[in-house]
Amino acid sequence: NSKVIQTPRYLVKGQGQKAKMRCIPEKGHPVVFWYQQNKNNEFKFLINFQNQEVLQQIDMTEKRFSAECPSNSPCSLEIQSSEAGDSALYLCASSTGDQNTLYFGAGTRLSVL
Amino acid sequence: GQQVQQSPASLVLQEGENAELQCNFSSTATRLQWFYQHPGGRLVSLFYNPSGTKHTGRLTSTTVTNERRGSLHISSSQTTDSGTYFCATNSAGNKLTFGIGTRVLVRP
Repeated sequence: NSKVIQTPRYLVKGQGQKAKMRCIPEKGHPVVFWYQQNKNNEFKFLINFQNQEVLQQIDMTEKRFSAECPSNSPCSLEIQSSEAGDSALYLCASSTGDQNTLYFGAGTRLSVL
Repeated sequence: GQQVQQSPASLVLQEGENAELQCNFSSTATRLQWFYQHPGGRLVSLFYNPSGTKHTGRLTSTTVTNERRGSLHISSSQTTDSGTYFCATNSAGNKLTFGIGTRVLVRP
C-alpha cells in the first residue's frame, strides 16, 4: 500500500487565485512525479524531481506553476493564477528510481470557480 | 509520442463473473503497468509487468511486448473490484503515458 500523503484532499479557489498543494513521498523515494487527471480521465505529466532537482517539466508547468521538493520538507505544487481549466485531480507519485513502479497518493481535487 | 488504448471503455459484471481488460500501445520500447483507481481517487499499482504473465490474488496480467499489447484478467469478480482500471506505459525517465481507463462495475 502506498504511503504517499497528499494535502489537502479538496481545494476550492476563484479564478486568479493561487492554489497550493503538498505531497510527502514515501520514505526513501528520491523520485517524485506530479500528474494532472481531468474529468475525462486524461492524465498529463506536469513535472518530476530527483531529490531536490527538477528532471523534466512541461511548458505549462514552467510558465504557470511553481514546484519544489526541498529536503526534509513536503514537495509542493502551486498554480500562480488559477484558471477554470485547472480544475482537476492532481496526483503525486514517488519511486525508488528510474525503472521502478510509481506509488501514488490519493490526490488533491482542485475546483476553480 | 507513445499512445495507449484501452478497451472496453466500461464493463458491467455480475458478481462471480470473469473479465478481461485490454491494453494496446504504440511502441515496443516500453514497460507496462496496471493501476486501479478507487472511486475516491487514489491510484493503486496492481502490476509492473514489462513482459510475460504475473498473478496476484484474482488478478492476472499478461504482456506481449512484441505485439504491443497487454491484458488484465479479473477472475471471480467481487463488488469491491468496482472502479477504474488504467494501463500505463513508460519509457526512459519513468514518465508514464496512461490510457483513458476501463470503468468496471460489479453488481451483487
